[in-house]
Amino acid sequence: GAGVSQSPSNKVTEKGKDVELRCDPISGHTALYWYRQSLGQGLEFLIYFQGNSAPDKSGLPSDRFSAERTGGSVSTLTIQRTQQEDSAVYLCASSLGINSPLHFGNGTRLTVT
Amino acid sequence: AQKVTQAQTEISVVEKEDVTLDCVYETRDTTYYLFWYKQPPSGELVFLIRRNSFDEQNEISGRYSWNFQKSTSSFNFTITASQVVDSAVYFCALIGGTSYGKLTFGQGTILTVHP
Repeated sequence: GAGVSQSPSNKVTEKGKDVELRCDPISGHTALYWYRQSLGQGLEFLIYFQGNSAPDKSGLPSDRFSAERTGGSVSTLTIQRTQQEDSAVYLCASSLGINSPLHFGNGTRLTVT
Repeated sequence: AQKVTQAQTEISVVEKEDVTLDCVYETRDTTYYLFWYKQPPSGELVFLIRRNSFDEQNEISGRYSWNFQKSTSSFNFTITASQVVDSAVYFCALIGGTSYGKLTFGQGTILTVHP
């Protein structure tokens, strides 16, 4: 079956611009996660959606970061006024529920120039 | 707070050697789940195994085996008769019972298998 799909696969943007990253989870998975992978910080949790519950935003690094999940499916991660330290690979994952294995997409490589 | 430590940053072996990747974890939760993921050069994180804290039985899947020991808070991963295709970054991760799905990852071990 189809896995987690992320777009774009690569994004280069200028400092100060806004970017939107998209994630299409595995059908039927109620939980959706965003993680960030960078050389200095490893894999960091950003935000977690579970069903219709309020999202857990505890990992978002600043108020420039936000995410939404429409209709319990597709999610968009938005970074406003991008900074060079936002450069990283942004990974989306989905799972059947909490504590179930996460299935990751291929990620979006964001480069802020 | 939760923490996962993978002390081996890089390991290099020759094909057919056995190799063990170490993972030590810290959590105050009595219920927790441990995972191993593989990240090949293509970049996608591939799920390998999940164990819960109440099941210390070791597991074998083909050339892969996992040794879970609560007494030492370790969840080590052994690849028997390694192959070049095993070359990847391997991550150990933990979800605590009160973490509601948030994975805490170790820093990863880069495994290179030479022909």
